[in-house]
Amino acid sequence: DSGVTQTPKHLITATGQRVTLRCSPRSGDLSVYWYQQSLDQGLQFLIQYYNGEERAKGNILERFSAQQFPDLHSELNLSSLELGDSALYFCASSVALASTGTGELFFGEGSRLTVL
Amino acid sequence: GESVGLHLPTLSVQEGDNSIINCAYSNSASDYFIWYKQESGKGPQFIIDIRSNMDKRQGQRVTVLLNKTVKHLSLQIAATQPGDSAVYFCAENMNRDDKIIFGKGTRLHILP
Repeated sequence: DSGVTQTPKHLITATGQRVTLRCSPRSGDLSVYWYQQSLDQGLQFLIQYYNGEERAKGNILERFSAQQFPDLHSELNLSSLELGDSALYFCASSVALASTGTGELFFGEGSRLTVL
Repeated sequence: GESVGLHLPTLSVQEGDNSIINCAYSNSASDYFIWYKQESGKGPQFIIDIRSNMDKRQGQRVTVLLNKTVKHLSLQIAATQPGDSAVYFCAENMNRDDKIIFGKGTRLHILP
């Protein structure tokens, strides 16, 4: 158990809908990363927060947004869903920033999104 | 652009032999590299990391080698065991920001 909790574990929805994925980082971790993993694909970096502020952004679609709350949990919002958004979405946390500390990320078990 | 690639998508190794998983990176500004292991149905798990001021770093049964001249990274697993079956990802980071960019992964099969 990595200590990172993601909910829901599975989600099935229809095209055009909006979903919210939630992540609780490990206790004490200030940094949260979101990744998308499609079938037979690697992990695509979406966005990263540190202590409530956005620190780095990847190729995140405009239909997607995220935030990190004062209690450090994070949410990833996916809207106007398309079939191609079906994927495993991972949240990871770390105690420090990769640029100044460590790249050791602790990953949750992911939220599997299926868009029909 | 930002890309961390892998030479082989699948690697089959006899149990007990050593495994070598390779990774090529394209961004010469990257200066920190990490290897992750992802078992089926789980999130990736940190294995070992190396900064660009080093050529080699050893862990328990694993060694990471970095060749900055040719922008190549490898993960060596000694005495491969069935529990090593997983997808292995190399990831990179540039010191100027906090993005950790993953490659596509190599699936390691352990043959009995």
